[in-house]
Amino acid sequence: NQLTQSPSSLSASLGDRVTITCRASQDIISYLAWYQQKPGKAPKLLIYAASTLQSGVPSRFSGSGSGTDFTLTISSLQPEDFATYYCQQLNSYPPTFGQGTKLEIK
Amino acid sequence: QVQLQESGPGLVKPSDTLSLTCTVSGGSISSYYWSWIRQPPGEGLEYIGYIYYTGDTNYNPSLESRVTISVDTSKNQFSLKLSSVTAADTAIYYCARLGLYCSGDCYYPFDYWGPGTLVTVSS
Repeated sequence: NQLTQSPSSLSASLGDRVTITCRASQDIISYLAWYQQKPGKAPKLLIYAASTLQSGVPSRFSGSGSGTDFTLTISSLQPEDFATYYCQQLNSYPPTFGQGTKLEIK
Repeated sequence: QVQLQESGPGLVKPSDTLSLTCTVSGGSISSYYWSWIRQPPGEGLEYIGYIYYTGDTNYNPSLESRVTISVDTSKNQFSLKLSSVTAADTAIYYCARLGLYCSGDCYYPFDYWGPGTLVTVSS
């Protein structure tokens, strides 16, 4: 089950609202997670079940979608949000990840 | 707070077997599913496989012929062996926990990760 993220990279400014899209090649209902990865660090779980925020994750992060189309939105970019973001499908094995979206400072 | 830590050689020769261990602290390994994921430098994430404390396993079909994951509940550890390695197996290897979150349906995201260990395949 292939996941395609867009864009692959994104430049934005502090305070901006940004949206990253993840499209699945098959219906994955709501079995989607989002992760944030900073350089030299392991990925961190942000959202699961497409829209449920993991404990401790700031509320400026939100997820939506079902079926094949999903989005991750950051409502107001903070300095610590510049990172690479991955979506991952949990609907079938093997679990697969999107190719990543690198969010950079403009 | 659950913590995971990978350990093992950072350099493996081509055609040899890569061996890594993940030590789990702050919780028992005798629940949840435990997984290995890898990331070639500068690239994306690839699922390798998981193991349950009972020994039940699941492997990525792309690696299944070369992968063995085992568990040692007495040491709260699980391990990865990847045979016949080539340069294409050079990657950061992460161990991770498959969490269990149920609200009607159940979801198994990777909720705790080790810091990762770089394994280079080179002669």
